Amino acid sequence: SYELTQPTSVSVSPGQTASITCSGDKLGDKHACWYHQKPGQSPILVIYQDRQRPSGIPERFSGSNSGNTATLIISGTQALDEGDYYCQAWDSSTVVFGGGTKLTVL
Amino acid sequence: QLQLQESGPGLVKPSETLSLTCTVSGGSISSSSYSWGWIRQPPGEGLEYIGSLYYSERTYYSPSLKSRATLSVDTSKNQFSLKLSSVTAADAAVYFCASGFRYYYDSSDGAFDIWGQGTLVTVSS
Repeated sequence: SYELTQPTSVSVSPGQTASITCSGDKLGDKHACWYHQKPGQSPILVIYQDRQRPSGIPERFSGSNSGNTATLIISGTQALDEGDYYCQAWDSSTVVFGGGTKLTVL
Repeated sequence: QLQLQESGPGLVKPSETLSLTCTVSGGSISSSSYSWGWIRQPPGEGLEYIGSLYYSERTYYSPSLKSRATLSVDTSKNQFSLKLSSVTAADAAVYFCASGFRYYYDSSDGAFDIWGQGTLVTVSS
């Protein structure tokens, strides 16, 4: 079955740029999206179709997808960006989630 | 604004069937614009896809749960439901219902942009 691999954790200083990767076989041939989840809350879609931002998502969130890696980039990271981030893609008519990355802003 | 609300028993006995319902407000469940899905999250773990569908189209399932999961739609109540049979302790999780959209017409590929608040299901005798 298809797998998406994310780093377990990423740390970033406030105001700096955070990058979270998501790796999968030929992921660049698929479309990736990203969700942000804070403790006790439901996930929020922050990037879809590799690089599109839903309405209401700040411009500091951006995405790319090429080769075997999709990347979520958060520019000017703020404390409220802390939490877990999950990538997601479709493969063989099913949804696959990455294992999640805990982003710490310190 | 589309809103989703899960409901169902918070406690299920091992070997029994878990049944959850998601009530949709602010939109019609029979619209071809939305997908309707279930995702779960065991305590302290990541997200796991269970299944999703577009009304009157094909239903998609996780291969690992396909033999036990059934998704259905009730248009009269504007609800969709999940049944998961033969549950074990490994099925204990927060269950989210979600609505999504597809990137291209006649394709399943898409994302989930509206999520319910989630409901915790415990499996115990």
